[in-house]
Amino acid sequence: NAGVTQTPKFQVLKTGQSMTLQCAQDMNHNSMYWYRQDPGMGLRLIYYSASEGTTDKGEVPNGYNVSRLNKREFSLRLESAAPSQTSVYFCASSVDRGYQPQHFGDGTRLSIL
Amino acid sequence: AQSVTQLGSHVSVSEGALVLLRCNYSSSVPPYLFWYVQYPNQGLQLLLKYTTGATLVKGINGFEAEFKKSETSFHLTKPSAHMSDAAEYFCAANAGGTSYGKLTFGQGTILTVHP
Repeated sequence: NAGVTQTPKFQVLKTGQSMTLQCAQDMNHNSMYWYRQDPGMGLRLIYYSASEGTTDKGEVPNGYNVSRLNKREFSLRLESAAPSQTSVYFCASSVDRGYQPQHFGDGTRLSIL
Repeated sequence: AQSVTQLGSHVSVSEGALVLLRCNYSSSVPPYLFWYVQYPNQGLQLLLKYTTGATLVKGINGFEAEFKKSETSFHLTKPSAHMSDAAEYFCAANAGGTSYGKLTFGQGTILTVHP
């Protein structure tokens, strides 16, 4: 039982490069989320998808785009990476956009030089 | 807007001692509350949740938390710490209204357990 799978696990980019972070869940969840984790700041919501075909901005969406490819997959794209986007990125999913717990992947550690 | 505050970014206890991690929330309506644990280089795992009903909630690994509406608190406790409890702990809130479906996290508390 894989749960939420994120690829890649580590990545180093140069400023201005683009990259897509991949996320897939096998729990038949409707809602999916992208967070970034920075020291001392907890996790902050970047974008979320309440259901297939919908996406909405979270707390820190600037510099990112997302695609809900199908029910299983939710990708996060950095079009022109900046050093301020160096962070650990987590994907999560939940049964629906409600009060059910979210299930997290193991994260992608992204460094931008 | 809702917010979650965890008092103390680092807590250190001896093995066998009481663990107390503090969490306060600010919300216009009583939120649904969660505690997650994160071990090094891993994602977050759910420890316990409060939705409705009993205010004392029991979770995995011997942890429990009590929802106190009057104090807007949801502190996490464990009677006797174990070395394996060393990790970072996050409190999170999910309120209604414009925040419906969105989790707001506290800053995290790193728990160190000394032998």
